[in-house]
Amino acid sequence: EAGVVQSPRYKIIEKKQPVAFWCNPISGHNTLYWYRQNLGQGPELLIRYENEEAVDDSQLPKDRFSAERLKGVDSTLKIQPAELGDSAVYLCASSLEPGEGLFFGSGTQLSVL
Amino acid sequence: GNSVTQMEGPVTLSEEAFLTINCTYTATGYPSLFWYVQYPGEGLQLLLKATKADDKGSNKGFEATYRKETTSFHLEKGSVQVSDSAVYFCALSPYGNNRLAFGKGNQVVVIP
Repeated sequence: EAGVVQSPRYKIIEKKQPVAFWCNPISGHNTLYWYRQNLGQGPELLIRYENEEAVDDSQLPKDRFSAERLKGVDSTLKIQPAELGDSAVYLCASSLEPGEGLFFGSGTQLSVL
Repeated sequence: GNSVTQMEGPVTLSEEAFLTINCTYTATGYPSLFWYVQYPGEGLQLLLKATKADDKGSNKGFEATYRKETTSFHLEKGSVQVSDSAVYFCALSPYGNNRLAFGKGNQVVVIP
């Protein structure tokens, strides 16, 4: 069974440029998450989807970040414009049942110069 | 709120040594507890979990017991290998959902 797939693996951009990350969750997993992991820290939740609906986006900086999950499968996370402080690893995860844990993708490492 | 605290600093030890990484939590109700491992250049992988008090999660020689009385979920392995070198994260999710809260992680370096 394929795991959570993310792309790109690495992205280097200049500040004020837009950037987008893509995620394909494990087949059948209705819940999808985007996390941000700063260097030397644990992941922090940005947004959680149940099917197409964003049910928890309280930590998403809505002035520059946006996300969508059309048709309840793939998801895209966008930053526009990017700032230096956005440099981090952006992780996508999916899950099937509450309490069973999350399955993570390999992440996208973003460097904003 | 829900939070997880891991011991400070990296852990360096020799091959075949005993490993302990401390994790304590603060939560309302009865959370599920997890240990995730992140190998260099890879995403997080679920190592083990426990969903109720006194449960013991185990995998790949690692163990952790859900201790409600001390609100702890310490990770242990009796004899580490070089291949166990990674960053280990303790995490919890409140009962009924998967909104994971992570600790800061501990880097483990095993020296041959």
